[in-house]
Amino acid sequence: DSGVTQTPKHLITATGQRVTLRCSPRSGDLSVYWYQQSLDQGLQFLIQYYNGEERAKGNILERFSAQQFPDLHSELNLSSLELGDSALYFCASSERQGNSPLHFGNGTRLTVT
Amino acid sequence: DQQVKQNSPSLSVQEGRISILNCDYTNSMFDYFLWYKKYPAEGPTFLISISSIKDKNEDGRFTVFLNKSAKHLSLHIVPSQPGDSAVYFCAASAGSNYKLTFGKGTLLTVNP
Repeated sequence: DSGVTQTPKHLITATGQRVTLRCSPRSGDLSVYWYQQSLDQGLQFLIQYYNGEERAKGNILERFSAQQFPDLHSELNLSSLELGDSALYFCASSERQGNSPLHFGNGTRLTVT
Repeated sequence: DQQVKQNSPSLSVQEGRISILNCDYTNSMFDYFLWYKKYPAEGPTFLISISSIKDKNEDGRFTVFLNKSAKHLSLHIVPSQPGDSAVYFCAASAGSNYKLTFGKGTLLTVNP
């Protein structure tokens, strides 16, 4: 158990809809990262927060947004969903920025129909 | 532009033998490298890491070797066990760029 909790585990929704994925980091970890894993793809970095502030952005679509709250949990909001957004979305946390392992949750599997 | 490459999609070894998983990178700014293991329906689990100031790091049955001149790292598992069967991801980060860049993974199968 990594200590990172993601909810829900599975999400099935229709095109055009909006969903929110939630992540609770390990106790004491200040950094939260979101990754997307599509079929046959590696883990693609989306966005990072550190202690409530956005620190790095990767290949995140404008339809996607995220935030980290004062209690350090994070939410990833996906809107105007398309079929191609179907993927596994992983949250990870680390205790500090840079040169420290990321600890991943078990992911949210999003299916857009 | 794939900056971290795992050229072998799969690897099969016999229990008790050595497993060697390879990873190449192109970004010379990478200075921290990690290996993760992933079972189906679970998130990646951190295995071992190495800083660019070292060329070897060992943790039990797992050893990571880094060859900076060749921009290559490898993970050795000795002896391999059936429970090691999983997808292994290589990842790297660069200095103040905190995000990890992952390879596409290698499926390791350890046969009893």
